[in-house]
Amino acid sequence: GQQLNQSPQSMFIQEGEDVSMNCTSSSIFNTWLWYKQDPGEGPVLLIALYKAGELTSNGRLTAQFGITRKDSFLNISASIPSDVGIYFCAGQIPNAGGTSYGKLTFGQGTILTVHP
Amino acid sequence: DTGVSQNPRHKITKRGQNVTFRCDPISEHNRLYWYRQTLGQGPEFLTYFQNEAQLEKSRLLSDRFSAERPKGSFSTLEIQRTEQGDSAMYLCAGLLAGGGFEDGYTFGSGTRLTVV
Repeated sequence: GQQLNQSPQSMFIQEGEDVSMNCTSSSIFNTWLWYKQDPGEGPVLLIALYKAGELTSNGRLTAQFGITRKDSFLNISASIPSDVGIYFCAGQIPNAGGTSYGKLTFGQGTILTVHP
Repeated sequence: DTGVSQNPRHKITKRGQNVTFRCDPISEHNRLYWYRQTLGQGPEFLTYFQNEAQLEKSRLLSDRFSAERPKGSFSTLEIQRTEQGDSAMYLCAGLLAGGGFEDGYTFGSGTRLTVV
């Protein structure tokens, strides 16, 4: 099946530093999503990307949909302690009939630790 | 409050027992998705419903798994004859009719199953 390779697996940074993580796939996606998950909770959407080349920001977060439609990155600027958590990329595979809308493939996650 | 409720939050069961989880989306969620998330991994798609119709099932959903969504409202996921490998977080997500990911695709907090 489709797989998303997310890197790095974990990051340990100091408060105030910038963070970058990325995802690559062997398949084309028509939508890229970035989620954050806190322990014992479900994933919460951070950014959604719908077009190849699209660059979208949400506060200190910036994400881009790769031109090839097979990759995406997420940047977090000026990290703060509450940024701690697990970040997941997720993609939706194109489906001509639209019947698989909402069926997502997730990466393995990046564990972010921020030291004050 | 994400609008999607899952019960129970935690379930410990002995191997071989049957378990049932429940997901209550908001009434406007015409699509409902089930995912499984094992430790250190991203969520994996299991199945989804459009209203009461189950439209797709993953190969991960063995014969011991069954999901229902009577009347297109709440959904249940049953696992029969549980095995230790079934230990995971089971997540449910709802999608608003005509909604996009930003305003319409919401995960619940999950049910964590431990099979001993």
